[in-house]
Amino acid sequence: KQEVTQIPAALSVPEGENLVLNCSFTDSAIYNLQWFRQDPGKGLTSLLLIQSSQREQTSGRLNASLDKSSGRSTLYIAASQPGDSATYLCAGDERNFGNEKLTFGTGTRLTIIP
Amino acid sequence: NAGVTQTPKFQVLKTGQSMTLQCAQDMNHEYMSWYRQDPGMGLRLIHYSVGAGITDQGEVPNGYNVSRSTTEDFPLRLLSAAPSQTSVYFCASSSGGAGANVLTFGAGSRLTVL
Repeated sequence: KQEVTQIPAALSVPEGENLVLNCSFTDSAIYNLQWFRQDPGKGLTSLLLIQSSQREQTSGRLNASLDKSSGRSTLYIAASQPGDSATYLCAGDERNFGNEKLTFGTGTRLTIIP
Repeated sequence: NAGVTQTPKFQVLKTGQSMTLQCAQDMNHEYMSWYRQDPGMGLRLIHYSVGAGITDQGEVPNGYNVSRSTTEDFPLRLLSAAPSQTSVYFCASSSGGAGANVLTFGAGSRLTVL
């Protein structure tokens, strides 16, 4: 059974710093990978989607990459801002399940200190 | 605003009662799904649908029932509520399979079973 680990579980950094969040899958056969943001008491918002033919995606100050050989993904946030404070979750699907089922990590709770 | 609408936002039930969580989307998405989110366990897939008239089980389907009579609606029914079903429930949709397409989430429904 696929399991997803996100390290660290919580992270606090001063405003302006660059930071990296990590996500790893027990089975490296990940086909697509998506990073989400969740604010307290709210639903999830998709940030970046790395599709099967891709290795990374960028949106503004965010960059996500996927190493399929190891089953690891990183989310890089540049020049962090207080508004980036939220929980970040990764989710991936495996080819043998088609692409109807995602496995989610438990998330990294990020706090940006002004 | 276009998106995924969940009702109710909060609900308290007694053990053994039944209820339906409603989910509607106005983006003409074929794929819809229900997840539950519990502390320390990440999001777990309950049921999903790849189109009207088609549903399938996810990771934790026991105690829940779904139907998909229209493209827009995907209700989740709790047949006989148990305290173990206390959780936050999220409905999500995408234009295609959940892995290869951006997944749009509703704001969530917090359910407490006494």
